[in-house]
Amino acid sequence: QVQLQESGPGLVKPSETLSLTCTVSGGSLSSYYWSWIRQPPGKGLEWIGYIYYSGSTNYNPSLKGRVTMSVDTSKNQFSLNLSSVTAADTAVYYCARDRGGTVTELDYWGQGTLVTVSS
Amino acid sequence: DIQMTQSPSTLSASVGDRVTITCRASESISSWLAWYQQKPGRAPKLLIFKASSLESGVPSRFSGSGSGTEFTLTISSLQPDDFATYYCQQYNSYSKTFGQGTKVEIK
Repeated sequence: QVQLQESGPGLVKPSETLSLTCTVSGGSLSSYYWSWIRQPPGKGLEWIGYIYYSGSTNYNPSLKGRVTMSVDTSKNQFSLNLSSVTAADTAVYYCARDRGGTVTELDYWGQGTLVTVSS
Repeated sequence: DIQMTQSPSTLSASVGDRVTITCRASESISSWLAWYQQKPGRAPKLLIFKASSLESGVPSRFSGSGSGTEFTLTISSLQPDDFATYYCQQYNSYSKTFGQGTKVEIK
């Protein structure tokens, strides 16, 4: 059974960089796309972007310029960096897997981690 | 970018009711649409993929239909465990977009 677990600071100061890592267990990063999604408190889901196990990426245009994703296959982890954060970036951040080796539906999700942007 | 619009935003229904949620895409996405269920404090759960394929383990009272720009999620007989928020998501264009969500409440 594939499991995903987000980790990282729960509090980030405005203008700083939000950094999260997703650790995958019970399966390999290889041959899959891996996504980040966020959900502001009380609001809907927003796709942030995805990274292929080889390192190719695609980001939500609304966040382009601030988002960077990376992958470490040796640790079975992938990461999200979001720069110049503001209070609007306060959200629960989820990592998830695209099923089937292409950009598809998201079949496995992490439990989510709340990141608050505040001084 | 492809925009996804769900309706209604909130739906009040009773146990046993037939419930239908609509999702419209701003351009054709063929059948590249998924539906998720989310309960408070939990991650979304995949229900339907490729517009009408039922995810393994999901009760058969859930069904999806549609193609192109208009899609529906139907719950044939609403059960107490089904009160939740439902999201559609397109994955047609090597990007993804979620609808804004439909909250199914107890009437």
